Amino acid sequence: DGGITQSPKYLFRKEGQNVTLSCEQNLNHDAMYWYRQDPGQGLRLIYYSQIVNDFQKGDIAEGYSVSREKKESFPLTVTSAQKNPTAFYLCASRAAGGSYEQYFGPGTRLTVT
Amino acid sequence: QQQVKQSPQSLIVQKGGISIINCAYENTAFDYFPWYQQFPGKGPALLIAIRPDVSEKKEGRFTISFNKSAKQFSLHIMDSQPGDSATYFCAASFTGGGNKLTFGTGTQLKVEL
Repeated sequence: DGGITQSPKYLFRKEGQNVTLSCEQNLNHDAMYWYRQDPGQGLRLIYYSQIVNDFQKGDIAEGYSVSREKKESFPLTVTSAQKNPTAFYLCASRAAGGSYEQYFGPGTRLTVT
Repeated sequence: QQQVKQSPQSLIVQKGGISIINCAYENTAFDYFPWYQQFPGKGPALLIAIRPDVSEKKEGRFTISFNKSAKQFSLHIMDSQPGDSATYFCAASFTGGGNKLTFGTGTQLKVEL
């Protein structure tokens, strides 16, 4: 099956702990994205990567970090510096070149108490 | 700065009716306008998209109407069905700079029997 996988589906952490969300794709897509979704709001871009070993900040990057060591993987770390980490996190990918379509994974719901 | 404004926030339509959701954008550099459908607890699914060189695109019961001069685009769902009940997001991106998507705040559609 081709697609984007995110794990785990639900994640619970205590305040002050860092947590890493997984995103893997086997679509051979070059670009990958992380978005955050809060109730009643649209998706907001956290980080994106267009190529291995390179990534760029999105609109709300503070308190987050990413890495892109492999084409198929783009993990997101939510650090203790993120003031409101509880949210639904979505990973997406896009093929290279002139392709515009972004496809999303199933998401990870993170709850920090 | 909210660059993509979406309305209405919620919509109730009778089965068989037409659902209409509207979006307006500010950035004239946007050149790709997708619509996503999202069910509770799931990732958004790409529904239909349009480029600004056409004024309308139809796929099955779903149609995008695009008005470049007014900087507006809309989604029409014909013969709405209860299975269409979901949250719909419009978005926009521009070529270059990672093709980052800017999302509207979503419309909760409920199709009643």
